Amino acid sequence: QVQLQESGPGLVKPSETLSLTCTVSGGSISSYYWSWIRQPAGKGLEWIGRIYTSGSTNYNPSLKSRVTMSVDTSKNQFSLKVSSVTAADTAVYYCARVGAGATLFDYWGQGTLVTVSS
Amino acid sequence: DIQMTQSPSSLSASVGDRVTITCQASQDITNYLNWYQQKPGQAPKLLIYDASNLETGVPSRFSGSGSGTDFTFTISSLQPEDIATYYCQQYDNLPLMYTFGQGTKLEIK
Repeated sequence: QVQLQESGPGLVKPSETLSLTCTVSGGSISSYYWSWIRQPAGKGLEWIGRIYTSGSTNYNPSLKSRVTMSVDTSKNQFSLKVSSVTAADTAVYYCARVGAGATLFDYWGQGTLVTVSS
Repeated sequence: DIQMTQSPSSLSASVGDRVTITCQASQDITNYLNWYQQKPGQAPKLLIYDASNLETGVPSRFSGSGSGTDFTFTISSLQPEDIATYYCQQYDNLPLMYTFGQGTKLEIK
């Protein structure tokens, strides 16, 4: 059973860079797309971007200028960086596997709350 | 960009009721429409993929239908454990985007 676990600081100062890592266990990270999705408190889900194990990326156009994703296949991990954060970036951040066909999310991490505050 | 309109935003029903949620796309998305269940404090869980296919292990009281722009999610007989928020999600490749509906919060009457 594939499992995903997010890790990273829970508090980030405004204008700084948010950094999160997702560790995949129970299966190989290879040959799949992997995504980050976020959810502000009490609100809906927003797709941030996806990365293939080759390192190829696609980002949400609304966030593209501030987002960078990377992958480390040797560690079965992929990562997210969001630069120049503001309070609007406060949310629960989920990592997820993009399932076969690349149109859905079939495995999710439990989510990690990131708060942007000074 | 394709917009998704999910309704209703909230719904109150009794145990045993048939519950229906709709999702409308602003353009034809063929059958690239999935449904997720999110319980409080938990990650979303995939229930239905490609509009009408039941994910492995999901109870058969959940179903989905539709194609093109109009989609429906149904719980045939509401159970107490179905209390959650439900989201539709579409995939588009020009430009590449995954978009979620606004969500439907389902409560027991």
